[in-house]
Amino acid sequence: GQSLEQPSEVTAVEGAIVQINCTYQTSGFYGLSWYQQHDGGAPTFLSYNALDGLEETGRFSSFLSRSDSYGYLLLQELQMKDSASYFCAVLYNTDKLIFGTGTRLQVFP
Amino acid sequence: KAGVTQTPRYLIKTRGQQVTLSCSPISGHRSVSWYQQTPGQGLQFLFEYFSETQRNKGNFPGRFSGRQFSNSRSEMNVSTLELGDSALYLCASSYTVTGGASGANVLTFGAGSRLTVL
Repeated sequence: GQSLEQPSEVTAVEGAIVQINCTYQTSGFYGLSWYQQHDGGAPTFLSYNALDGLEETGRFSSFLSRSDSYGYLLLQELQMKDSASYFCAVLYNTDKLIFGTGTRLQVFP
Repeated sequence: KAGVTQTPRYLIKTRGQQVTLSCSPISGHRSVSWYQQTPGQGLQFLFEYFSETQRNKGNFPGRFSGRQFSNSRSEMNVSTLELGDSALYLCASSYTVTGGASGANVLTFGAGSRLTVL
């Protein structure tokens, strides 16, 4: 079957850097996505990696290593508004998507 | 442009009842997916529709069903409700099927329908 693992919770202070890891076991892997969800809100798309390496979008970066079945989301210059849940999601077999259970990030002043 | 609209936003039902949830995707989006979200379980995939056809289905019992109309609007139905069906039900739309030729699978989610079963 398909499975993803990510930490349930991460804490950090404003201005810091935090890394949220995601390991997966899937066949027919296509790519890894990240979504952000604030409490009471809808998940919103952050990034997608299909190839190995780092993709940078402003303060957020996402990394993928296909050989290690591993990826991470890197958040820099943390702000209070970054407090949210972050979900990794694997696209496999062309058109199937499975989400991880989410990592709750708490940013403290 | 308008986002993904889900109705109703909140509803309370009792065990044994049935419920129908509605989702209007972003204009031009033809793929609609449904997810169940419960604390600690992440987003569990229910099903995906594209051009009125169910393309993928998750591991949920037959009590969970859905359909898509010609205007891409979608409904999901849960019959014989159980306490464990209490959850946030999220609908997401995308321009193509999940993934597709473009590779990137950007889903736009609605705010969800929060179902409480008593």
